[in-house]
Amino acid sequence: GENVEQHPSTLSVQEGDSAVIKCTYSDSASNYFPWYKQELGKRPQLIIDIRSNVGEKKDQRIAVTLNKTAKHFSLHITETQPEDSAVYFCAARRDNAGNMLTFGGGTRLMVKP
Amino acid sequence: DGGITQSPKYLFRKEGQNVTLSCEQNLNHDAMYWYRQDPGQGLRLIYYSQIVNDFQKGDIAEGYSVSREKKESFPLTVTSAQKNPTAFYLCASSREDEQFFGPGTRLTVL
Repeated sequence: GENVEQHPSTLSVQEGDSAVIKCTYSDSASNYFPWYKQELGKRPQLIIDIRSNVGEKKDQRIAVTLNKTAKHFSLHITETQPEDSAVYFCAARRDNAGNMLTFGGGTRLMVKP
Repeated sequence: DGGITQSPKYLFRKEGQNVTLSCEQNLNHDAMYWYRQDPGQGLRLIYYSQIVNDFQKGDIAEGYSVSREKKESFPLTVTSAQKNPTAFYLCASSREDEQFFGPGTRLTVL
């Protein structure tokens, strides 16, 4: 089955700096890679996703890049703000697996004002 | 944050007891999922259902059971066979790519 590894497990940045979270996946048949944000005490929510036919996608201050050859994808947050503090999860989905997601272990991002 | 609800928010269980967690959605989604969340381990899939009256085991189904008698409801039973049930349980539903999560139930075994 699919295995997704996520690094780092914790990340602390100063407000205004950039943050990068990286994930690797094992199954080359995976074709959909979402990122979820979970604020303290709240439910996870989708913030951005990318499909295997695209190398990069941006949405305001967040972007995701995908390297299919190396089987890794990354979340980039620019100009971080205190409200970006949360746990971020990456996930991967195989082409023939319905909508079953395999999640990474999560990254706790702390943005210091 | 309406659309998918879970109850109760907190649940305490004695060892050896079965307990059922509720998940309801009014989003008209066909697919529903149960995840377990432990610190540092992300979300692990317990069971999922793509349609009424059908469900499949996920990665950690042992000690759990589900039913899907109605499109709106996907209850999860944590049985006494689950050796380490204390965790945060999240239910989700989807129509296409995005999974929408409920607020979660924190289960503690005393």
